[in-house]
Amino acid sequence: GAVVSQHPSWVICKSGTSVKIECRSLDFQATTMFWYRQFPKQSLMLMATSNEGSKATYEQGVEKDKFLINHASLTLSTLTVTSAHPEDSSFYICSASLLAAGPYNEQFFGPGTRLTVL
Amino acid sequence: GQQLNQSPQSMFIQEGEDVSMNCTSSSIFNTWLWYKQDPGEGPVLLIALYKAGELTSNGRLTAQFGITRKDSFLNISASIPSDVGIYFCAGRTTNRGSTLGRLYFGRGTQLTVWP
Repeated sequence: GAVVSQHPSWVICKSGTSVKIECRSLDFQATTMFWYRQFPKQSLMLMATSNEGSKATYEQGVEKDKFLINHASLTLSTLTVTSAHPEDSSFYICSASLLAAGPYNEQFFGPGTRLTVL
Repeated sequence: GQQLNQSPQSMFIQEGEDVSMNCTSSSIFNTWLWYKQDPGEGPVLLIALYKAGELTSNGRLTAQFGITRKDSFLNISASIPSDVGIYFCAGRTTNRGSTLGRLYFGRGTQLTVWP
């Protein structure tokens, strides 16, 4: 149980293009999904918290117009990196949790998406 | 935001040895979690701790929630090569408002196990 998938697992794009990353909870309904960014040999940095059906809450310093988050259903959240630039190259990881008592109220992470912007 | 101090930053040990790593915080947490991350993968939850003083085991892994609620440690006994990876501690404070469920992560401990 508690499986979270991400698609694609890696993507290479040209500077200026937009990239969409999907995060799905496969065997539970996720009330909340989180998006993180991780640079090499560093910890996970929370970018935003997303509750189903409402606007995402972005962390300080994260541009909401650049990193568009949509959480349209209880099993799917998407992160779109708009007008990507080389400095956006990173490992993007999502996590999902069900905000209720039980085995799924912790954050379970997806396998990550490696974004390389040329 | 809250800072978690995780140590050591890296460890090089021989197979069969025991390992210990810890996390401290200047803030009180209600939950401590320990995750393991393999290269190119997302973190996998190892142990979750919910009460001060709680000691929990998962196979060869044992973790404790400090009495002050500002620290936690993880022990790995009889290490094996597949224990290699980065171990992260994470803490969660309250369950209110927009920070509901938000985790604060340590910087990670890179574990290398020599056969």
